[in-house]
Amino acid sequence: GQQVMQIPQYQHVQEGEDFTTYCNSSTTLSNIQWYKQRPGGHPVFLIQLVKSGEVKKQKRLTFQFGEAKKNSSLHITATQTTDVGTYFCAAYNFNKFYFGSGTKLNVKP
Amino acid sequence: DGGITQSPKYLFRKEGQNVTLSCEQNLNHDAMYWYRQDPGQGLRLIYYSQIVNDFQKGDIAEGYSVSREKKESFPLTVTSAQKNPTAFYLCASTRSGTGRNQPQHFGDGTRLSIL
Repeated sequence: GQQVMQIPQYQHVQEGEDFTTYCNSSTTLSNIQWYKQRPGGHPVFLIQLVKSGEVKKQKRLTFQFGEAKKNSSLHITATQTTDVGTYFCAAYNFNKFYFGSGTKLNVKP
Repeated sequence: DGGITQSPKYLFRKEGQNVTLSCEQNLNHDAMYWYRQDPGQGLRLIYYSQIVNDFQKGDIAEGYSVSREKKESFPLTVTSAQKNPTAFYLCASTRSGTGRNQPQHFGDGTRLSIL
């Protein structure tokens, strides 16, 4: 089935530093979604990207979809302790969603 | 408020026992999904249902069973055939049956452990 590789697995940053997580696929994706899961919680939908080269922003978060629609990234500027959690990408194919393994972000105050 | 309710929050299974996890939604969504999450890993699809009285296997369906007799309910049974059931189980839904271009809404999950 569809495989979505996500790196890095873990990221520890000092509050105020930037953070980026990447998702890559060997096949062209129809769309890519991003979710955030707080410790002990459930995934919460952040955004969806559909168009080639698309860039969307949500306050300090910037989401990009590659020109070839095979990769995507989530960048957080000036992290805060409230950003702590695991960030997942998810690709849709043949009626199913395929999740990356997630990047666990820890922010030191 | 509309949402997805999963119960119980914690569940313990004895050897040879079947257990059923409940998932109820009042969002009037057509599609529902069951995922398994192991520590440090992403979500893996167990079963999904695009419409009432129909469901399909996901990537790791062995040892699990589901039913979809009502639109709002999608219970998951973890059978004794599932030899490693300890995990965090998440139920999700999307508005349309195909789920394409739809955000997934998740319940709070059920943590299942073996006694």
